[in-house]
Amino acid sequence: GAVVSQHPSRVICKSGTSVKIECRSLDFQATTMFWYRQFPKKSLMLMATSNEGSKATYEQGVEKDKFLINHASLTLSTLTVTSAHPEDSSFYICSAPGQTSNYGYTFGSGTRLTVV
Amino acid sequence: SQKIEQNSEALNIQEGKTATLTCNYTNYSPAYLQWYRQDPGRGPVFLLLIRENEKEKRKERLKVTFDTTLKQSLFHITASQPADSATYLCALDKGSARQLTFGSGTQLTVLP
Repeated sequence: GAVVSQHPSRVICKSGTSVKIECRSLDFQATTMFWYRQFPKKSLMLMATSNEGSKATYEQGVEKDKFLINHASLTLSTLTVTSAHPEDSSFYICSAPGQTSNYGYTFGSGTRLTVV
Repeated sequence: SQKIEQNSEALNIQEGKTATLTCNYTNYSPAYLQWYRQDPGRGPVFLLLIRENEKEKRKERLKVTFDTTLKQSLFHITASQPADSATYLCALDKGSARQLTFGSGTQLTVLP
């Protein structure tokens, strides 16, 4: 079945630095990728939709300059958290829609970001 | 405003019993409703999808119902096992945007 590989799984960074998270579709082409953020014991919150070859669409309240999304190819979408602060610490997950309307979405395994 | 509610934050049941989880929504007209399983520290895993014109879907020990009049979906796990312990999320797909909106999840614990 479809697989989305997400790296890194865990990252600790210092305040003020930037962190890049990658999501690759391994056996299919993902023209669209969704990026979610999840707080402990909370649901997934959609941050943005990335589309291959065009600008990402951000949800209301999500800072575009803070969370840079690039979808440069049909198999790779990246999320860069710029000038990270402790409040950016969270679990970030990417997903790609199912290949047909009969299938659910495929999620990456998530990235636990801790900003110290 | 649009809301998705999963009534129980946590549910404990005995092994072998049927677990029933509830998902209610308001101010939505979803094309599909989906259920996912999420283990701690992992991304969600797709379980079942049911369309607005379908009443019931089954897959092995799983069964999902979808009542668009009541705006409710029920998710059943029969003959539950400790390995079924996880958080279960319902999600609505609005169709055209292909975006998923998630409920807050129900943490199921199956006791041996």
